[in-house]
Formats: sequence, structure tokens, C-alpha cells
Amino acid sequence: QVQLQESGPGLVRPSQTLSLTCTVSGASIDSSGNSWTWVRQHPGKGLEWIGYISYFGSTDYNPSLKGRVVISVDTSKNQFSLKLASVTAADTAVYYCVATTSRLGELSVDWGQGTLVTVSS
Amino acid sequence: EIVVTQSPDTLSLSPGERATLSCRASQSVSRNSLAWYQQIPGQAPRLLIYGASSRATGIPDRFSGSGSGTDFTLTISRLEPEDFAVYYCQPYDTSVSTFGQGTKLEIK
Repeated sequence: QVQLQESGPGLVRPSQTLSLTCTVSGASIDSSGNSWTWVRQHPGKGLEWIGYISYFGSTDYNPSLKGRVVISVDTSKNQFSLKLASVTAADTAVYYCVATTSRLGELSVDWGQGTLVTVSS
Repeated sequence: EIVVTQSPDTLSLSPGERATLSCRASQSVSRNSLAWYQQIPGQAPRLLIYGASSRATGIPDRFSGSGSGTDFTLTISRLEPEDFAVYYCQPYDTSVSTFGQGTKLEIK
């Protein structure tokens, strides 16, 4: 099982950049078959897929975030990160980091506990 | 981008009853790469089913998934008190993913 821990500011000012880091233990971030995803959940709402980065560095993002999002990895620290630019109150949500591992046809998905980020002046 | 619609939005049942939740995709899900998650309030989601019908590690056998192409079903054979939660489906083997809006399973 992979353990994940989100970290970063709980309060971000409007128009600033939201930055979160996910520290991974129990797996190597550059191991074949692993991918690393960010998901958010607005208060009282459903899950929204933000984007992911594969073990070899390929990324895809939710088109609705209109180019504001970047996901990257730091292999030396076994971490991956989320940056979301030009935030507004609509970006207030619980942000989850997610590890997906595919091995021999089996899929496992592990989630961090989530971190609430509030956008407010 | 695949759009996913779940039904019903809310399902009211009693413990011991059978629950059937539906998930419909706007286009065929490649290799039936469809996952189901359970989310209890205040907790992160938990993977129940992947590949449309394979149970994740540690998931009780009262949970089963079926379907292919664009139509998928999650069945809980006999509801336990801890099963009352919100359930999401997600096609995952795509470049851009998305979640269904969720089905809330509540106690009748």
C-alpha cells in the first residue's frame, strides 16, 4: 500500500498560485506502472479530476482548468506537486493526491487524506 | 473527454436489501477500464471495483461490478450499515479522466 500526504498552505489569496505537494512513501515515484493524480472536491460536492503525471513524466489536465494547472514530480524527494494559477473562490476545495499502480493486470489506488484549501482575501 | 452520468442521484434502501447503481458513459470505455469508488463523509474515496468487474484488494464479495461499453452497474447484494455512503464511477484509462456526479446511498 502506498502512503500519501498532502502539504501546503490552507489559505491562498485570490489571483495567487495554489501550490501543494504530495509526499509518497511505500512506492517509488518513477517506478514503471505508477501514475500520480490530483483530485479535488468542492464543499458538499462531487469529485473533480484535476490531472495526472505518469511515471515517465507525461501529463494530462482537465480542460476546464484552462491552462492554469501544472503537475510535476521531484524524484529526489519522492514527491509530486500541483500548481494552480490565478485562483478564485471557486478553487476552494479539498485537494487529494492519488497514487495509481497497475501491476500484472491488477489495479490499486491509494488516496491521501486530503487537504482543505480556501481561497479568500 | 468521456462524460459519465450516474443514476439514481439518491437511493433509499434498508440494511439487508440489494442496491443497484448505474453508470453510463457518453462513449465506449476502452478495455472496460471503469472504476467504482465509495466515499464515506469526511473520508477519502476508496477503490471498490476496477476493470468494471474486478474487486479491489480487501473489498467484500457483496460488492460486484458488471457491464461493458457504455453501461455499467455496481451491485451491493445485501446492504450493511457501513455501506451507506456516496458512490462514484470513473473511466480511468483515458488521457483525460472524469468522475460521475455520484449516487448517494441512504438509509430508508
